[in-house]
Amino acid sequence: AAGVIQSPRHLIKEKRETATLKCYPIPRHDTVYWYQQGPGQDPQFLISFYEKMQSDKGSIPDRFSAQQFSDYHSELNMSSLELGDSALYFCASSLGPLAGGNEQFFGPGTRLTVL
Amino acid sequence: LAKTTQPISMDSYEGQEVNITCSHNNIATNDYITWYQQFPSQGPRFIIQGYKTKVTNEVASLFIPADRKSSTLSLPRVSLSDTAVYYCLVGAPGYSSASKIIFGSGTRLSIRP
Repeated sequence: AAGVIQSPRHLIKEKRETATLKCYPIPRHDTVYWYQQGPGQDPQFLISFYEKMQSDKGSIPDRFSAQQFSDYHSELNMSSLELGDSALYFCASSLGPLAGGNEQFFGPGTRLTVL
Repeated sequence: LAKTTQPISMDSYEGQEVNITCSHNNIATNDYITWYQQFPSQGPRFIIQGYKTKVTNEVASLFIPADRKSSTLSLPRVSLSDTAVYYCLVGAPGYSSASKIIFGSGTRLSIRP
């Protein structure tokens, strides 16, 4: 079965550079979520989109922005990168918002390293 | 979203039944209880979800008492491959927009031969 696709899987950047992470949800899934997980930390919710509109916002820095496109894929744009941005970034998707308890399906993650 | 409390870590042996209990004293009427499993460097994976009483699937069972202030994830006959971090999450799904999932501190389960 098709899963959530994230690219790139690994990314190395210098401080103050920018990075763009991409997420392709499971076909027919219209809701996308972004999470950040630092080393030894629990996943932290960043932002979510439903039907191409921002739906919910968590602890996302102002330096980060995201959007969901007409084909439902999403991109997380990160600017002025800091050492503390080094983490695993997960994207998840669901069919519809979590109404009635739709489960989220997580992608393999993008490991971002900021040097 | 309701705050959850789980044991930081648990150890068990292959073939044993493992029960992980989560406390959620402030659970709201509309809240569901969901458990996720996460292996190192992988995304969390949905295990089971319930609202009340007992839910069972091919992987686990979820027991929820009448007051819903706690829940217990039961993994029957664990194997080495069940070594992972298990997260208990409580929250009300959004009915008109997406709802975030708040991950608390999970339980690190270690299975020994």
